[in-house]
Amino acid sequence: NAGVIQTPRHKVTGKGQEATLWCEPISGHSAVFWYRQTIVQGLEFLTYFRNQAPIDDSGMPKERFSAQMPNQSHSTLKIQSTQPQDSAVYLCASSSPGGGNTLYFGEGSRLIVV
Amino acid sequence: SQLAEENLWALSVHEGESVTVNCSYKTSITALQWYRQKSGEGPAQLILIRSNEREKRNGRLRATLDTSSQSSSLSITATRCEDTAVYFCATARTGGYKVVFGSGTRLLVSP
Repeated sequence: NAGVIQTPRHKVTGKGQEATLWCEPISGHSAVFWYRQTIVQGLEFLTYFRNQAPIDDSGMPKERFSAQMPNQSHSTLKIQSTQPQDSAVYLCASSSPGGGNTLYFGEGSRLIVV
Repeated sequence: SQLAEENLWALSVHEGESVTVNCSYKTSITALQWYRQKSGEGPAQLILIRSNEREKRNGRLRATLDTSSQSSSLSITATRCEDTAVYFCATARTGGYKVVFGSGTRLLVSP
């Protein structure tokens, strides 16, 4: 089975531009998580979907970040009007029902805002 | 505040030595997880140890859990250069879904 697939692996965007990151979870996994990783803040929870429904977006910066899961095979994280402080590695993870909270991560999308 | 936190920022050992990473946590849990993240990769789970378990092994890895002191350890024996990575403990509140990670311990294994 393929693991969690994230694209693009690297993205450089200018300040004020929009960035969209994609995630394809493991087939059959009903839960999808997005995390942000920086040296300073570490791994921060952003948002969580279960069976495609948004359950918890408490970690999302409210104004410029949005996430969707239009079908069971992919989720997107969109950042509008990107700022230098949005530079980070964005990690998507999926887990299966009864998986005991075990997360399977993709390799991440490194976003650099210049 | 972190639900779980590793005790050290970084460790350095020579290949073949044993090393232990420690973690403390703050809440009631059903399980604690240890993940490893190598450079350029996402974290990968090494061991999940449930609250009714005291020890769990996976090859050269051994995790312990002490619910009375709310602490856990991950030991690696006969370390190899490829064990160089960041090691995270992670947990979720009992009945919760949000897995929260510590800030990680950076392990360097040198030849």
